[in-house]
Amino acid sequence: DQQVKQNSPSLSVQEGRISILNCDYTNSMFDYFLWYKKYPAEGPTFLISISSIKDKNEDGRFTVFLNKSAKHLSLHIVPSQPGDSAVYFCAARTKTSYDKVIFGPGTSLSVIP
Amino acid sequence: DADVTQTPRNRITKTGKRIMLECSQTKGHDRMYWYRQDPGLGLRLIYYSFDVKDINKGEISDGYSVSRQAQAKFSLSLESAIPNQTALYFCATSVAGSGRNNNEQFFGPGTRLTVL
Repeated sequence: DQQVKQNSPSLSVQEGRISILNCDYTNSMFDYFLWYKKYPAEGPTFLISISSIKDKNEDGRFTVFLNKSAKHLSLHIVPSQPGDSAVYFCAARTKTSYDKVIFGPGTSLSVIP
Repeated sequence: DADVTQTPRNRITKTGKRIMLECSQTKGHDRMYWYRQDPGLGLRLIYYSFDVKDINKGEISDGYSVSRQAQAKFSLSLESAIPNQTALYFCATSVAGSGRNNNEQFFGPGTRLTVL
């Protein structure tokens, strides 16, 4: 059973609008969450992260929101740009399994010019 | 540039063959990882290593072995490849507890392996 779920395999958004990518998790021991971005023929690259002691973290156009009671996090991209078109992976880890990062299946974002 | 490189980038092999995927890094990181990516499943951890003498199994280590020849090199072997090992394989590195991006992992470009 997947501990990190991304229920939308794909998402299309107009350039300039907001992109919202969702992620749900089942393990209440997760204490740190990360988002990675992957372009075709490249490895994933780190985008943004959030600790479980926070409910929001912002970095430029990217903001991650964490709702621990709902075991849900979301990545907001505002404004969306064509260069944001990529696969986005949500990932999580526990304090005791620091190196065992669990990845979700990914959401493919297409930003339409 | 400090980087994570993987060889080969693409490989087609036959069932039962032994194959080795190699990873090298110039980042000076102590931790290295091997993942596989399958459609609909994301990345799953195969093995990880804290240093040359410390190797640990990940989520899906059966059918795989690894060797950490040096701090900068971490290779993944399939002793007898089978078709369900067809996947995209990624190597990654990290250094623990550093700065703002706690346990951020740096990935290589991937190796696409097909087992016929």
